[in-house]
Amino acid sequence: SAVISQKPSRDICQRGTSLTIQCQVDSQVTMMFWYRQQPGQSLTLIATANQGSEATYESGFVIDKFPISRPNLTFSTLTVSNMSPEDSSIYLCSVAGRVTEAFFGQGTRLTVV
Amino acid sequence: GIQVEQSPPDLILQEGANSTLRCNFSDSVNNLQWFHQNPWGQLINLFYIPSGTKQNGRLSATTVATERYSLLYISSSQTTDSGVYFCAVWTNQAGTALIFGKGTTLSVSS
Repeated sequence: SAVISQKPSRDICQRGTSLTIQCQVDSQVTMMFWYRQQPGQSLTLIATANQGSEATYESGFVIDKFPISRPNLTFSTLTVSNMSPEDSSIYLCSVAGRVTEAFFGQGTRLTVV
Repeated sequence: GIQVEQSPPDLILQEGANSTLRCNFSDSVNNLQWFHQNPWGQLINLFYIPSGTKQNGRLSATTVATERYSLLYISSSQTTDSGVYFCAVWTNQAGTALIFGKGTTLSVSS
């Protein structure tokens, strides 16, 4: 199984600011994803992080609000831009091979005040 | 897109009781996983089970892919089993990812 390090584990941010979350994997992985979990809710896919190209966003998520980078096969970042209290959530990085088991980082608990 | 439905939404048990959680999905899938989210928010992989039956200690899971459902069995429940249990599926369509059900919240009291 992959070991995923996600940073920061938690943060409290002022509205209007941006936060960049990092996801580092201990081995090369084919697929990396970013999910959001709003309070009391299930996980919702934000986007697939594509190595060397623009991320593929799900309906309701846009690049201006959630820019994503993936410069190589072991690292990705998610930025939450121009934050509002509605962005308070847990953000999770996930990795998987093709048709194999997916694993998750420990998550970033974000509170926007 | 594919629909993933979990039942029951909430479950309250006394320590030592057994339980069955169900996951129904609306389309054929390549992958099905069960996760436990602990009170700290961490997702723990329980089973990777696109078909068949697996057991791990007091937990076991069965997926009947042809009938589009999976079951998670918890026997002799303990307070540490409390948390949210998620079923997630990965469809056959290219460019997709794990899609989660809404979860079952389990509370085990001593």
